[in-house]
Amino acid sequence: AQSVTQPDIHITVSEGASLELRCNYSYGATPYLFWYVQSPGQGLQLLLKYFSGDTLVQGIKGFEAEFKRSQSSFNLRKPSVHWSDAAEYFCAVVTNAGNNRKLIWGLGTSLGVNP
Amino acid sequence: EAQVTQNPRYLITVTGKKLTVTCSQNMNHEYMSWYRQDPGLGLRQIYYSMNVEVTDKGDVPEGYKVSRKEKRNFPLILESPSPNQTSLYFCASRGSVNTEAFFGQGTRLTVV
Repeated sequence: AQSVTQPDIHITVSEGASLELRCNYSYGATPYLFWYVQSPGQGLQLLLKYFSGDTLVQGIKGFEAEFKRSQSSFNLRKPSVHWSDAAEYFCAVVTNAGNNRKLIWGLGTSLGVNP
Repeated sequence: EAQVTQNPRYLITVTGKKLTVTCSQNMNHEYMSWYRQDPGLGLRQIYYSMNVEVTDKGDVPEGYKVSRKEKRNFPLILESPSPNQTSLYFCASRGSVNTEAFFGQGTRLTVV
């Protein structure tokens, strides 16, 4: 069965430091991959997506992610974190089978930012 | 502005009292779904709809109903809410099954 793993439940970084959030998926074919952010009390907002083509994708708010087929990974990065980046981050993949083609979600990584 | 609108944002109710959470999208999307979000369990799909009058169960459908009489609306119905349905609920829509989802702001439901 398809699955998405976010190995880090919680990460804390200092403001200005670089960030990498990990995401691994289990899926036979090339998946459609997404990163979403959820700020406290808010809905989920799309940061970036990968469907095909260039494996390094740019998103909003200065985030980027790299698709690595050999590692089944789609890690999210940001070179310099801002205090406003403190939020919950979710990785998701669209399944490519059946009518549902639902989004499979990781359990999320909570990001804390120290001033 | 493209958006998914859920109402209410917050709701406290008593066990057994029927309630409906509304969801409306203005993007002419065909695919809509409901999720619940619980600590440690992430997002779990309750029901989804591929188009008008086409709905199906997701991963945790017990205790919920949905309808899709119009393309833009996808209400979630709890006929007899129970405390284990206390959760944060999200409605989402997608233009097609291979595109990103747009989410509502969420409905925080407490059943006492």
